[in-house]
Amino acid sequence: AQTVTQSQPEMSVQEAETVTLSCTYDTSESDYYLFWYKQPPSRQMILVIRQEAYKQQNATENRFSVNFQKAAKSFSLKISDSQLGDAAMYFCAYRSAPYNQGGKLIFGQGTELSVKP
Amino acid sequence: GAGVSQTPSNKVTEKGKYVELRCDPISGHTALYWYRQSLGQGPEFLIYFQGTGAADDSGLPNDRFFAVRPEGSVSTLKIQRTERGDSAVYLCASSPRAGGHNEQFFGPGTRLTVL
Repeated sequence: AQTVTQSQPEMSVQEAETVTLSCTYDTSESDYYLFWYKQPPSRQMILVIRQEAYKQQNATENRFSVNFQKAAKSFSLKISDSQLGDAAMYFCAYRSAPYNQGGKLIFGQGTELSVKP
Repeated sequence: GAGVSQTPSNKVTEKGKYVELRCDPISGHTALYWYRQSLGQGPEFLIYFQGTGAADDSGLPNDRFFAVRPEGSVSTLKIQRTERGDSAVYLCASSPRAGGHNEQFFGPGTRLTVL
């Protein structure tokens, strides 16, 4: 069975600074997706960034980028130029790639990010 | 367009009661997922539907939990004889189809409190 671990329950960053959230996972599969989701107090889960395991290039979405280390099974999220609106709970998630696996997401425990003005 | 909606937003019930939680997916999405998020934890998969049928219900914790999607659109999660341990946020997500590269879009969740 696949597992996802986030070892940082809480992180804090100064506005305009950079912060990195850590995530490790365990799987025997070779084809899968990894995600970072943001969950503000409104509870709405919002997709931040996605990485396909077969792609060596790290995904980037504006101020958000990942460091995907497939051999080490590590998937960290870097937030540059942090903004007050980035404060939220962040979840790392895993999903098997093949269509016949159904696509259920396996989440980590979450990291609560606070941004100081 | 409209996103995934869930009703009610909050539900308070007494131990032993029956509750129903509703999810309206994005129009045209054939896959629908239910997750449960306990306080301070990440969401955990419960069940998913492809069309009207439950394709994977391996995450349902016991036979008190049941979900239906009779017309392949709206889904209802039903919990019988509720227990205090059932208190959690129940999230619903929909996807154009299950698996592959299809993204899941989440609703705002229903917070269930069992007294």
